[in-house]
Amino acid sequence: GQNIDQPTEMTATEGAIVQINCTYQTSGFNGLFWYQQHAGEAPTFLSYNVLDGLEEKGRFSSFLSRSKGYSYLLLKELQMKDSASYLCAVPSGAGSYQLTFGKGTKLSVIP
Amino acid sequence: DADVTQTPRNRITKTGKRIMLECSQTKGHDRMYWYRQDPGLGLQLIYYSFDVKDINKGEISDGYSVSRQAQAKFSLSLESAIPNQTALYFCATSDPTGSNEQFFGPGTRLTVL
Repeated sequence: GQNIDQPTEMTATEGAIVQINCTYQTSGFNGLFWYQQHAGEAPTFLSYNVLDGLEEKGRFSSFLSRSKGYSYLLLKELQMKDSASYLCAVPSGAGSYQLTFGKGTKLSVIP
Repeated sequence: DADVTQTPRNRITKTGKRIMLECSQTKGHDRMYWYRQDPGLGLQLIYYSFDVKDINKGEISDGYSVSRQAQAKFSLSLESAIPNQTALYFCATSDPTGSNEQFFGPGTRLTVL
């Protein structure tokens, strides 16, 4: 099975940079997803990493190290609207199309 | 218009009642999923379907059943609702030709009294 670990909560200041870490153990790696979920709303896709390295998309970047089973999501120039939960997810097995989600990191952005 | 819709958006019911949650999508995706989300537990997969004739149990299927009436429709039923099925339920779709990114519906908040 899959095992995903991420911090439960984080707090950061508006305008700052925050890094949300995710470690995973998987029986067959096939990419890692990050989703954003505002309270009571649907998760929305942020990024997908299948190769090692950093991928940048505007204020958000995602990093992957397959050898270390490690990823992080980097949010720059934090805005109040970035207050949300951030979910890390990996396929549920080699060649699987189902995703196993982490429990999410609740980020609070304060003035 | 939303690509993935769920009805109802909110439902309050009593223990023992049969409940159906419906999901429709206009994305043309073959793969559809039902999740439940409880505070602090993340998203848990209940059932998934890769086409109309393919239904698979997820990690927490006990007490639930599904029906894939068409490519665009995937319904979740609670045969006899119990209070610990109170949760937020999400439907999702994915397209295997790409990254298999999942697209979520807006969710149904179900309360079982």
